[in-house]
Amino acid sequence: DTEVTQTPKHLVMGMTNKKSLKCEQHMGHRAMYWYKQKAKKPPELMFVYSYEKLSINESVPSRFSPECPNSSLLNLHLHALQPEDSALYLCASSQSSNQPQHFGDGTRLSIL
Amino acid sequence: KNEVEQSPQNLTAQEGEFITINCSYSVGISALHWLQQHPGGGIVSLFMLSSGKKKHGRLIATINIQEKHSSLHITASHPRDSAVYICAVTPYGNKLVFGAGTILRVKS
Repeated sequence: DTEVTQTPKHLVMGMTNKKSLKCEQHMGHRAMYWYKQKAKKPPELMFVYSYEKLSINESVPSRFSPECPNSSLLNLHLHALQPEDSALYLCASSQSSNQPQHFGDGTRLSIL
Repeated sequence: KNEVEQSPQNLTAQEGEFITINCSYSVGISALHWLQQHPGGGIVSLFMLSSGKKKHGRLIATINIQEKHSSLHITASHPRDSAVYICAVTPYGNKLVFGAGTILRVKS
């Protein structure tokens, strides 16, 4: 069982839909991350939150909007996505920047 | 050239064999990580190293900071070790820079 919980596990949406991915951890970690992973490729960093503030945005298109409502929760709001956005979206958390990251099982997103 | 290079890209082994996966990096780092990803997605952090050697069960990770090189060894390999093994480094802040991964298949 993973200590970082992501919901939903699978999501299929049309290009005009609005949906959100959720990530939750109760380990008291103060850094949380969103990654995008395409098949047979390593994860690509999208966003980093540190102490509930956005600290890194890797030039991600504005159709992806992160939110950190509190220290345990991280959301990724999706709107007007493109077919090339279909991927596995992974959330991770760590106690601090120099500690190992704990990953969730990911949300597999398909854009029709 | 990628900042993190792994070899081999693919590895097939027979159950019981000793396995080595290599990782070279070209930037200064504060730590190196070995991660395991099974089909279906979830990533598990195996080791975080900044020097020397670490051991956990049948897994051993070593790092040579001067040579910018790390190895992951699996002793007495088992089919359940089949996964993608990813080397990642932390050159600055809290960003991980990933290698391309090594796909390991252990046959029984």
